Amino acid sequence: GAGVSQSPSNKVTEKGKDVELRCDPISGHTALYWYRQRLGQGLEFLIYFQGNSAPDKSGLPSDRFSAERTGESVSTLTIQRTQQEDSAVYLCASSLGGGGWGGANVLTFGAGSRLTVL
Amino acid sequence: AQSVTQPDIHITVSEGASLELRCNYSYGATPYLFWYVQSPGQGLQLLLKYFSGDTLVQGIKGFEAEFKRSQSSFNLRKPSVHWSDAAEYFCAVGGTGRRALTFGSGTRLQVQP
Repeated sequence: GAGVSQSPSNKVTEKGKDVELRCDPISGHTALYWYRQRLGQGLEFLIYFQGNSAPDKSGLPSDRFSAERTGESVSTLTIQRTQQEDSAVYLCASSLGGGGWGGANVLTFGAGSRLTVL
Repeated sequence: AQSVTQPDIHITVSEGASLELRCNYSYGATPYLFWYVQSPGQGLQLLLKYFSGDTLVQGIKGFEAEFKRSQSSFNLRKPSVHWSDAAEYFCAVGGTGRRALTFGSGTRLQVQP
């Protein structure tokens, strides 16, 4: 598509429920990233997919968080047994590649999914 | 490990005044450096980037940034700030390694009339 699309834009859930957030990257972008932005804070790296390589999961805060990506298309971030501290805006970004060439590192961000855990 | 420090959490300037937002990075090799802007209720937009060559780079909306290797800095500047520049600004570092960009914690800019 023309841009990075994220859904839902807003999600309110109860503590303990599971949530799924979806990201549809720009067509042709092989790299896809998930970041978390808590209120008033910076971007916290969560996970990074590059083509068919094993994802870099080093930023996932706990085993309640997981993400999948089918080929070079849609990605889903799943948070199990949500906690109030999971409340944040979850940002997805994509780029042409993840390294080896500077231009590949230019990220295009989606508008984010705002998660509120009551 | 790569990291970015933005020492100023919040800056207030008067409209028409000059602006400089500080960014210091830590990276083991030649870095790729970026500034992104996030306006209220909006997604992040790329302002400018440095990959190589001229250390003074120009971006959109009249912004520029200077890469200083000796100081590990990539400060963002604008000679005359407009009210529409009020936003949050993020510096980021990446490189040739297979890693995602690392972002700083952001600087919130407020513009006074």
